[in-house]
Amino acid sequence: EAQVTQNPRYLITVTGKKLTVTCSQNMNHEYMSWYRQDPGLGLRQIYYSMNVEVTDKGDVPEGYKVSRKEKRNFPLILESPSPNQTSLYFCASSLSAGQGYGYTFGSGTRLTVV
Amino acid sequence: GNSVTQMEGPVTLSEEAFLTINCTYTATGYPSLFWYVQYPGEGLQLLLKATKADDKGSNKGFEATYRKETTSFHLEKGSVQVSDSAVYFCALTTDSWGKLQFGAGTQVVVTP
Repeated sequence: EAQVTQNPRYLITVTGKKLTVTCSQNMNHEYMSWYRQDPGLGLRQIYYSMNVEVTDKGDVPEGYKVSRKEKRNFPLILESPSPNQTSLYFCASSLSAGQGYGYTFGSGTRLTVV
Repeated sequence: GNSVTQMEGPVTLSEEAFLTINCTYTATGYPSLFWYVQYPGEGLQLLLKATKADDKGSNKGFEATYRKETTSFHLEKGSVQVSDSAVYFCALTTDSWGKLQFGAGTQVVVTP
């Protein structure tokens, strides 16, 4: 089954403790992206990747890192999480970055930072 | 910059009612337009899309027409079911970098 898999689904952590949210897709998609969803704000892009070893900042990159060493994986790293990073996170992939291609989304990771 | 404005929810209707969710946009260039749906506890799923003016996207009984003159992409369904209860997001992209710009989402609640 074609899908984007995120782990974990739920995570509670403490301020300052480094964490990684994994994302993997099995569709050989070139383009991958991370979004966060907050009430009343919709989804905002954190980082994106056009292909292996090509990543760039989205609208809200502060406090996050990403890497794209393999085409299928795009982990999101929070080096020193803070409470304002409590949010629902989605990884998404697309065949290409061009217009008209829809995204396939993962099921989400609900992160709480206390 | 680009922006997407959706009607605020929640929208509450009875089964078999007609649903309209308004979406208007501001964009440079010629955007591609999308509707995504998020069922409770799940990720977003692409519902339909339109890539040029006057295109109509349709799926699962939902329709939306790309109206360049009114910069709108309203979502409609003629007869909703309880299973259509979800949050609906309007979105656009204009560039080669693939970034989707989302509206805030509209929650739809359908009662039996």
